[in-house]
Amino acid sequence: AQSVTQLGSHVSVSEGALVLLRCNYSSSVPPYLFWYVQYPNQGLQLLLKYTTGATLVKGINGFEAEFKKSETSFHLTKPSAHMSDAAEYFCAGLSGSARQLTFGSGTQLTVLP
Amino acid sequence: EAGVAQSPRYKIIEKRQSVAFWCNPISGHATLYWYQQILGQGPKLLIQFQNNGVVDDSQLPKDRFSAERLKGVDSTLKIQPAKLEDSAVYLCASSLTSGANTGELFFGEGSRLTVL
Repeated sequence: AQSVTQLGSHVSVSEGALVLLRCNYSSSVPPYLFWYVQYPNQGLQLLLKYTTGATLVKGINGFEAEFKKSETSFHLTKPSAHMSDAAEYFCAGLSGSARQLTFGSGTQLTVLP
Repeated sequence: EAGVAQSPRYKIIEKRQSVAFWCNPISGHATLYWYQQILGQGPKLLIQFQNNGVVDDSQLPKDRFSAERLKGVDSTLKIQPAKLEDSAVYLCASSLTSGANTGELFFGEGSRLTVL
């Protein structure tokens, strides 16, 4: 079964700085990995996904993530943070025979002016 | 396109009372999920429906939680009797696929339950 671990429950960056949110996965089979974002008082929405193919995945709002098998990582990055990026970010993976979406514990991103 | 609708958005009850949450998925979406999100944790799957059949309810505390999806469209999640540890946001999500889960889910805004 696959699980995901997010390192850092809170991350603060200055506006314009690099955003790096960390996610590691554990699995014995090639993973299907996702990043979801939850803005205040809104539902989760899909930011990007990795299934197969290119290891650098681009998502909405300038975010991207790189699948690194050697490091079992799927970190989320954005070159320049905007105030509107402040939200909670969840890494997730498909796991189990029923392929259920299993979420990490989330990282709250704060963007400082 | 209308999103996933949930109600009520907020509910406060005392322990041992009952509560029900309603969800209307995106039109045409075959699969519906209920997740529980406790403060500081990621969402945890409670139950998955495909059309009006249950696909997975292995993590649903069946002694107090029940869910149904009559006619394969909207769904209700009920808790009876509620415990303090049930305080959480209950998220409904839907997906278009009726086959293997692609992981691409559309979530509602959630129903926040506080049990006193």
